Amino acid sequence: DAGVIQSPRHEVTEMGQEVTLRCKPISGHNSLFWYRQTMMRGLELLIYFNNNVPIDDSGMPEDRFSAKMPNASFSTLKIQPSEPRDSAVYFCASTDRDNSPLHFGNGTRLTVT
Amino acid sequence: KNQVEQSPQSLIILEGKNCTLQCNYTVSPFSNLRWYKQDTGRGPVSLTIMTFSENTKSNGRYTATLDADTKQSSLHITASQLSDSASYICVVSAGSSSASKIIFGSGTRLSIRP
Repeated sequence: DAGVIQSPRHEVTEMGQEVTLRCKPISGHNSLFWYRQTMMRGLELLIYFNNNVPIDDSGMPEDRFSAKMPNASFSTLKIQPSEPRDSAVYFCASTDRDNSPLHFGNGTRLTVT
Repeated sequence: KNQVEQSPQSLIILEGKNCTLQCNYTVSPFSNLRWYKQDTGRGPVSLTIMTFSENTKSNGRYTATLDADTKQSSLHITASQLSDSASYICVVSAGSSSASKIIFGSGTRLSIRP
């Protein structure tokens, strides 16, 4: 298996622009997580899905952030409008059951100028 | 409040030496504890998992311990190699359902010098 695939690897955009991050989980995994990582705050859970349904979105910073999972093999995280404080590395992770490890993608490094 | 604290924040050792990283947690109800390794520019990768009944587990040169009474875990790296340079993150899961909560420590950044 190719693992969790995220795109793009790097994104540089100007403040106010819309940003869409994409994730393809490992086939057969039914839970998908979006995390944000910064030096100051470490890894923070934004939202997680189970069987394509959002279960906990309490970590989503504000209404500018939205996430979708239209099917078992694809998820998006959208920021509109983007702000400089959104600059971070965004990770997607998937797992197939509780007590199994999270499998992380290699992240999208977002820079908002 | 569920928390995971790691020490030291960073560590530099010479190649071939051993080191031990610490993790203290206040998570209830405890489900399991994992150590992840995160190389620069990559996502974290699971090294070990420990449940309540386990007090030691090895994965090659990595040995994790768990003391459920004191709520402490350690990750011991033996005969360090340059490729061990990475961040090591302690992750504790609470609960026992699909809504289990996963709490991340802030990590220890380990640098191995030749």
